[in-house]
Amino acid sequence: AQKITQTQPGMFVQEKEAVTLDCTYDTSDQSYGLFWYKQPSSGEMIFLIYQGSYDEQNATEGRYSLNFQKARKSANLVISASQLGDSAMYFCAMRALAGKLIFGQGTELSVKP
Amino acid sequence: SAVISQKPSRDICQRGTSLTIQCQVDSQVTMMFWYRQQPGQSLTLIATANQGSEATYESGFVIDKFPISRPNLTFSTLTVSNMSPEDSSIYLCSAEGTDRDTQYFGPGTRLTVL
Repeated sequence: AQKITQTQPGMFVQEKEAVTLDCTYDTSDQSYGLFWYKQPSSGEMIFLIYQGSYDEQNATEGRYSLNFQKARKSANLVISASQLGDSAMYFCAMRALAGKLIFGQGTELSVKP
Repeated sequence: SAVISQKPSRDICQRGTSLTIQCQVDSQVTMMFWYRQQPGQSLTLIATANQGSEATYESGFVIDKFPISRPNLTFSTLTVSNMSPEDSSIYLCSAEGTDRDTQYFGPGTRLTVL
């Protein structure tokens, strides 16, 4: 069965510092995709970054990068230079069959001034 | 990228009634999905909305409770039927991008059932 695990229910980071949010996954598929989303208190799901299982380089999108370690089945999100506006829930997800996403339980990130 | 809108953005409903949520995408997409997010929880897929045919439901979700329509490639509706307080959740519509490396979400519908 496919599964996403986020072991950090909550994280704190000082403004302007970097933070890593952990995500491990389990799948027997050879081809899959991994996503990270940000959910502020307003409830919308904001797409941050995507990593394909065959991508050789780690994905980057501005201040977001994905530390993809295929052998360890981990896809950690790194946020550099944290900002107060980064405070939100962060979800890791895996693209399963027919496009549906399987989500982890989320990590609540709080950025301190 | 695709822009997705949902109506209503929120509603408060009485037990036993039904609510239909609309999802509109600004471009044609192949795959559309409906998710539920219960308070303090993660997202769970309700069903895949198939254009021109019956939706594909996940385990634990049935058509009688969550009927879904998708008449074309840009529009879908989800009805929450015979509501109870346990149905209080955020309901989110999503659509997969053409290159499959993105999946966009609507702003969600916050439903409270009294």
